[in-house]
Amino acid sequence: DAKTTQPPSMDCAEGRAANLPCNHSTISGNEYVYWYRQIHSQGPQYIIHGLKNNETNEMASLIITEDRKSSTLILPHATLRDTAVYYCIVRVVFKAAGNKLTFGGGTRVLVKP
Amino acid sequence: DADVTQTPRNRITKTGKRIMLECSQTKGHDRMYWYRQDPGLGLRLIYYSFDVKDINKGEISDGYSVSRQAQAKFSLSLESAIPNQTALYFCATSDLHEAFFGQGTRLTVV
Repeated sequence: DAKTTQPPSMDCAEGRAANLPCNHSTISGNEYVYWYRQIHSQGPQYIIHGLKNNETNEMASLIITEDRKSSTLILPHATLRDTAVYYCIVRVVFKAAGNKLTFGGGTRVLVKP
Repeated sequence: DADVTQTPRNRITKTGKRIMLECSQTKGHDRMYWYRQDPGLGLRLIYYSFDVKDINKGEISDGYSVSRQAQAKFSLSLESAIPNQTALYFCATSDLHEAFFGQGTRLTVV
């Protein structure tokens, strides 16, 4: 699975959009981009995933560059409850591989009032 | 009820003791996993199972064993606990794309 690079930390103002970058320059054509977050010491929570196209769900939007070498997770209106460590993970998806996740250091996001 | 339930939530044990961490899930998925998290670091995979008859070692399986008793149950054992196994342990289940994690077991080996 491709390696990812994320900034170690970032601050965001409550109510504003939070844009979290992730670099995955060695991504292969069949690798998906996933985002999870971990609030304090709780179990990680799935946010969103994508392959080539931009994706949006009730939690966030995922913007993947055309060359797929980087992506941005957007939290449209950050709240204090969005304070967490956000992990960008790249992996191949096929049934036999299961859903083994390789977690890097992530980005520690602090949402401030 | 939670999708993935881990017991106990907290445990303090002595060096050399055997301890079992239990996990059950209600998602109906075949795949289950055990991860370990040390302070300030990301999760690392210990063992995973794709069905009841399938057990696979992960990145850091030494010192651990697992048992898949049923589709919904996956337990992790430390045969002889040592202090550097003090960590936060997470169980997970998944479909093809999304993993669901338990709330974790905080284990301290003294």
